[in-house]
Amino acid sequence: NAGVTQTPKFRVLKTGQSMTLLCAQDMNHEYMYWYRQDPGMGLRLIHYSVGEGTTAKGEVPDGYNVSRLKKQNFLLGLESAAPSQTSVYFCASSLAGGLMSSYNEQFFGPGTRLTVL
Amino acid sequence: AQSVTQLGSHVSVSEGALVLLRCNYSSSVPPYLFWYVQYPNQGLQLLLKYTTGATLVKGINGFEAEFKKSETSFHLTKPSAHMSDAAEYFCAVSAKGHAGNMLTFGGGTRLMVKP
Repeated sequence: NAGVTQTPKFRVLKTGQSMTLLCAQDMNHEYMYWYRQDPGMGLRLIHYSVGEGTTAKGEVPDGYNVSRLKKQNFLLGLESAAPSQTSVYFCASSLAGGLMSSYNEQFFGPGTRLTVL
Repeated sequence: AQSVTQLGSHVSVSEGALVLLRCNYSSSVPPYLFWYVQYPNQGLQLLLKYTTGATLVKGINGFEAEFKKSETSFHLTKPSAHMSDAAEYFCAVSAKGHAGNMLTFGGGTRLMVKP
C-alpha cells in the first residue's frame, strides 16, 4: 500500500514550457486535491475533484488545468509555465464525506519541487 | 469563508521546554480544526484534529490542542520539546457540512529546538 505518490519529485522548466504532474493513490479515495506551497503562505488549494470525471477550482486555479479520468489518478497540467509557478506542489486524497456527522482525513503525497526559470 | 492565522512564523525553544504554537481561525460555520507537521523534504502528516466532542484533543508525539470557541483559537502545545520536534507546523480549518473536505491552511510556524 503506497498511499499517495507523485511523479516527478523534481523538475526544472523554462518559461513557456508545459508539463504534467501525476498523482496516484491506491486507497480507493473519492476525493483528490492539488495544493501549492510557498514560503509564509502555507498550502493553497489549486483544484480538487470529488470523483472520477469531475474537477473544480480551488483558491488559486489560474494557469493550471486538471483531469481525473481514472479514480486513482489526478493530473495537474501547466500549459505555459511562468516563474510565478515556481513552488512545491502537493497532492492529497481522502474518502468522501465532509458532512455534519463526519470528516475524512486528507492524506498527502511527498511533493514535487518545480522551478521555472 | 474561512481563514487561519498562525502567530509567529518562527518559534525557538530549548530542549525540554514547553512548546506553544498559536492558531486563530475564522469560519462562518462550525469548524473542523487540524494541526499538520511537515519534516524537511517530506509531505504533511496529521498531528491531531478536532471534529466534535471533547475540546482538548491529544495527538501523536505528545502534542495536544484545545479548541476554544469563544477565543476562536486552537493552540498546539507540548510539555517538553525534543530535538526531533523541529519541523514546520500548519494549522488548518475545514467547514462542517461543506462537500469536498476542503482545507484552508495557515502560513505555517517553523519550530526550532535548541540543545
